[in-house]
Amino acid sequence: DVKVTQSSRYLVKRTGEKVFLECVQDMDHENMFWYRQDPGLGLRLIYFSYDVKMKEKGDIPEGYSVSREKKERFSLILESASTNQTSMYLCASSTGDNYGYTFGSGTRLTVV
Amino acid sequence: GNSVTQMEGPVTLSEEAFLTINCTYTATGYPSLFWYVQYPGEGLQLLLKATKADDKGSNKGFEATYRKETTSFHLEKGSVQVSDSAVYFCALSDSGGGADGLTFGKGTHLIIQP
Repeated sequence: DVKVTQSSRYLVKRTGEKVFLECVQDMDHENMFWYRQDPGLGLRLIYFSYDVKMKEKGDIPEGYSVSREKKERFSLILESASTNQTSMYLCASSTGDNYGYTFGSGTRLTVV
Repeated sequence: GNSVTQMEGPVTLSEEAFLTINCTYTATGYPSLFWYVQYPGEGLQLLLKATKADDKGSNKGFEATYRKETTSFHLEKGSVQVSDSAVYFCALSDSGGGADGLTFGKGTHLIIQP
C-alpha cells in the first residue's frame, strides 16, 4: 500500500522556535507539496518540489522554507514559529500525470 | 489566476437522500478536475477525477461530469450514507498532473444523519 507519512500527528511549539515537519513517500514520486489547511480558507500551497534539491514557492511561502535532499523526503521548516502559523499541515506527492495526489494524514501544529 | 468555488457548509442531509455539491472553476486552458474527500482526523483522499470536457468521473457511488460550457464539476450521489459524512474538496490542475500544485476550493462539510 503506497504511503505518504508525516512524522508527527500533533506538535506543540513555542513562539520563536525553529520547527521541522517531515514528510516521506514510498512511491518514487517526483513531485512533493506542502499545504496548510485552515477553517474557511481551505488548502493553500506553501512550497512544492519537482525534483531533488529543487523547490518552488507556492501561494503563501512567507515564514517557511523547505528542503529536499532525497527524492523520498520533503521537509517544511518554520524558521521562527509564530502563533499565526498554528494550522494543519498536509504533505502530498504526485507522479506528474493525471492520477492526482496522495496525501499524508497531516500534522496539527500549535504555536503557543 | 485559477480559482475554485464550491458551496460551503455544513450541508446536512438524511440517510438515503440525494446529494449535490456544486463546484465551479476559473482557469486558463483545459484543466483537469478532481474531487477529494477528508474523513475526520485524516488527510485528503482522491475520490474521482476528469481530465477533459464531458468526461464523467465516478467512484463509490459518487459521480461528477466535467462541463466546460458552464465551467462546473458538480459532485452527486443518489443515496448517501452516514459513512459519507466528511469534508469534500473540489480542485483543479492546469498543468496536467498538477506538477505546479492543485488549486482547491474551501471545502464543503457534509453531515449525514441516520
